[in-house]
Amino acid sequence: DVKVTQSSRYLVKRTGEKVFLECVQDMDHENMFWYRQDPGLGLRLIYFSYDVKMKEKGDIPEGYSVSREKKERFSLILESASTNQTSMYLCASSFSGQGRGDYGYTFGSGTRLTVV
Amino acid sequence: GENVEQHPSTLSVQEGDSAVIKCTYSDSASNYFPWYKQELGKGPQLIIDIRSNVGEKKDQRIAVTLNKTAKHFSLHITETQPEDSAVYFCAAKTGANNLFFGTGTRLTVIP
Repeated sequence: DVKVTQSSRYLVKRTGEKVFLECVQDMDHENMFWYRQDPGLGLRLIYFSYDVKMKEKGDIPEGYSVSREKKERFSLILESASTNQTSMYLCASSFSGQGRGDYGYTFGSGTRLTVV
Repeated sequence: GENVEQHPSTLSVQEGDSAVIKCTYSDSASNYFPWYKQELGKGPQLIIDIRSNVGEKKDQRIAVTLNKTAKHFSLHITETQPEDSAVYFCAAKTGANNLFFGTGTRLTVIP
């Protein structure tokens, strides 16, 4: 019963390419998040969204953008991929607000992106 | 904003022994503290959580304790098994929506 689906497990792209990472959740969650995970640095928040067409910058938004046209889908866009964007990318979703939000995040399986 | 620190970064235990991972947080308004387990090649999975009005919670071999005064919380795994080997993340929630994560602990259970 997969609940947060990331479109690709592994991806190899060339420097300068525009890259789209897709994430879909089927739990009717309001909130969606994109993280990158690098050894020794833990999970770093790139962007998040509390609602359709809304987006907020996280801790490391530079070089990324996002799109949320539908509640269930949250896309991460690398405008011009660079080698320092080689990483594991994790999508997550959650309910919003006190109470309902207290069930943590549900994560996808991740996309390992390599930029060459 | 919230700052979550996690220790140790790596932990090796013999099978059957206990493992303890500790986290501290900075924002006294944080009110929800989940723990995630990430196995190789997978996304993090929620394994246990605790809310600020509770001091301890247990689920079979895992337990979490919270000390609000000291602003720290810990994960305890008893009778460890090889399948407990993974990276564990603690997190704290301030406000309605965002979690702040620790940097992770790589637990290795030696058979």
